[in-house]
Amino acid sequence: QKEVEQNSGPLSVPEGAIASLNCTYSDRGSQSFFWYRQYSGKSPELIMFIYSNGDKEDGRFTAQLNKASQYVSLLIRDSQPSDSATYLCAVKTWDNAGNMLTFGGGTRLMVKP
Amino acid sequence: KAGVTQTPRYLIKTRGQQVTLSCSPISGHRSVSWYQQTPGQGLQFLFEYFSETQRNKGNFPGRFSGRQFSNSRSEMNVSTLELGDSALYLCASSSQGEQYFGPGTRLTVT
Repeated sequence: QKEVEQNSGPLSVPEGAIASLNCTYSDRGSQSFFWYRQYSGKSPELIMFIYSNGDKEDGRFTAQLNKASQYVSLLIRDSQPSDSATYLCAVKTWDNAGNMLTFGGGTRLMVKP
Repeated sequence: KAGVTQTPRYLIKTRGQQVTLSCSPISGHRSVSWYQQTPGQGLQFLFEYFSETQRNKGNFPGRFSGRQFSNSRSEMNVSTLELGDSALYLCASSSQGEQYFGPGTRLTVT
């Protein structure tokens, strides 16, 4: 069974700090990795995706992928109270032709002013 | 471009009834996936449709079904509703691999 694991949190960081969110996955065939942000009562919003080992930066967000360790992380620099949300890690494998994503349980992030 | 739309946004049904949910993907997207989100199980994949064909199916009973039309709009149907079917049902559309979610339909079964 393919699994994606995240610490449920809450992860509490002060405003302006770096928030580090982590995710591990069990299927070595996984090829694509996604981070979604979900505010309470809302649907998930795609914020980052990464396909290759290394870092990918987009504004205040950096996704890091280490396939050997089966580990993907999301760093949020200069955290703001508006970043307080649940962050979902999702993984897609290529053993099927389609777009099935396996999600972790999410990490709740709280940014305190 | 307009985003993914889902109707209705909220629904209350009684056990044993059936329900149909609708999803219109982002213009040009041919893949539509459906997910169920509950506090206990998180986000779980139901099925995916691409060019009117079911391409993938998750581990849900046959009471859950779907279809896709030639304009890529998709519907999912749940028959013989159970209390445990109460959830947020999310539709996601995709063209290159990244999936974008709609606002969801909140289904409550009483």
